[in-house]
Amino acid sequence: GQQLNQSPQSMFIQEGEDVSMNCTSSSIFNTWLWYKQEPGEGPVLLIALYKAGELTSNGRLTAQFGITRKDSFLNISASIPSDVGIYFCAGHLSENAGNMLTFGGGTRLMVKP
Amino acid sequence: DSGVTQTPKHLITATGQRVTLRCSPRSGDLSVYWYQQSLDQGLQFLIQYYNGEERAKGNILERFSAQQFPDLHSELNLSSLELGDSALYFCASSPLGRGAPNEQFFGPGTRLTVL
Repeated sequence: GQQLNQSPQSMFIQEGEDVSMNCTSSSIFNTWLWYKQEPGEGPVLLIALYKAGELTSNGRLTAQFGITRKDSFLNISASIPSDVGIYFCAGHLSENAGNMLTFGGGTRLMVKP
Repeated sequence: DSGVTQTPKHLITATGQRVTLRCSPRSGDLSVYWYQQSLDQGLQFLIQYYNGEERAKGNILERFSAQQFPDLHSELNLSSLELGDSALYFCASSPLGRGAPNEQFFGPGTRLTVL
């Protein structure tokens, strides 16, 4: 099946630092979504992107839909301890019959106070 | 709180058994999706239902089946359980069956442990 390559797999940073993570694919996606998952909970939607080149912010989070439609990145500015969790990118392929999402492997973020 | 509910939260059973996981979508959402998440893995799409009908199928085993009822809640049935079926099972919902916007909102999950 389709695969999303998400990197880095994990990050251990100091509070206050900026964070950047990205997803790439060999396929073209028409939607990119970014989710955050905390232990014992379901993924929570952070940002949705629908157009190539689109740059969208949600508080300290900024995500972009790559111009080639094959990649996306998520930046977190001035990280705080509650940013800890696993961040997943997810994409939707236009040729899919339904609305299934393909997920990346996740970036585990750890923040040191 | 996403508005998607799942029961039970935890389920422990033995190999060879059959279990049913239940999901209620957000109010107004017509699509329900099931995903499997194994330990420290990403989410794998299993199946989607839209307004009672199967819309898309992913890597779902033949031992697994699902349905969506007239009140739009959904059940995922797992039979002849194996140790490798131990995982988190998430349900998600969205307003549409196809096309943008296709934001999906996830429930809290059911943790299945097969002993």
